[in-house]
Amino acid sequence: TQLLEQSPQFLSIQEGENLTVYCNSSSVFSSLQWYRQEPGEGPVLLVTVVTGGEVKKLKRLTFQFGDARKDSSLHITAAQPGDTGLYLCAGPTSNRKLIWGLGTSLAVNP
Amino acid sequence: DADVTQTPRNRITKTGKRIMLECSQTKGHDRMYWYRQDPGLGLRLIYYSFDVKDINKGEISDGYSVSRQAQAKFSLSLESAIPNQTALYFCATSPGYGNTIYFGEGSWLTVV
Repeated sequence: TQLLEQSPQFLSIQEGENLTVYCNSSSVFSSLQWYRQEPGEGPVLLVTVVTGGEVKKLKRLTFQFGDARKDSSLHITAAQPGDTGLYLCAGPTSNRKLIWGLGTSLAVNP
Repeated sequence: DADVTQTPRNRITKTGKRIMLECSQTKGHDRMYWYRQDPGLGLRLIYYSFDVKDINKGEISDGYSVSRQAQAKFSLSLESAIPNQTALYFCATSPGYGNTIYFGEGSWLTVV
């Protein structure tokens, strides 16, 4: 069974700090997606990583896909209160379904 | 207006009552999904539909049913609601396998 494990589960930091959250699996994925869910809303796609070793940047957010395509990380530089939310990773499985990690709940305090 | 619209956004119902959550989308996608989200359990797939005539059970379909009335409409029913169905429910769409999932804003359902 393919699983996606996200860590840490919770993270509370001060504005301006840097942080990294992780999405790990023992299985290979053809791609991984990162979503952010703000309170009271549905998840919204941030990025899809496809190639092993790929790095994608979205303003202060940097996403990396592991060389073996089993893991991914999200690094936020100089976090802001607007970054607060639940960060979810998701990946398509070999039986053509999408599985989800449980998410990292991030709180950025002013 | 939102591309994926869910109604109602909030509902409190009593145990044993029938409740329907409705979803409509303007994205023109064939694939539609119903998820529930619970703290500590994440997003779990209830049902999914790849087109009007193709409806499939997800990982937690017991106690739920769905109807795909048109490409744009996908409703979720709880025939006899029970308290452990209290959750945040999301409708979602996608253009295809491995593509972006577009979520509605969610429907909070409380069963008392």
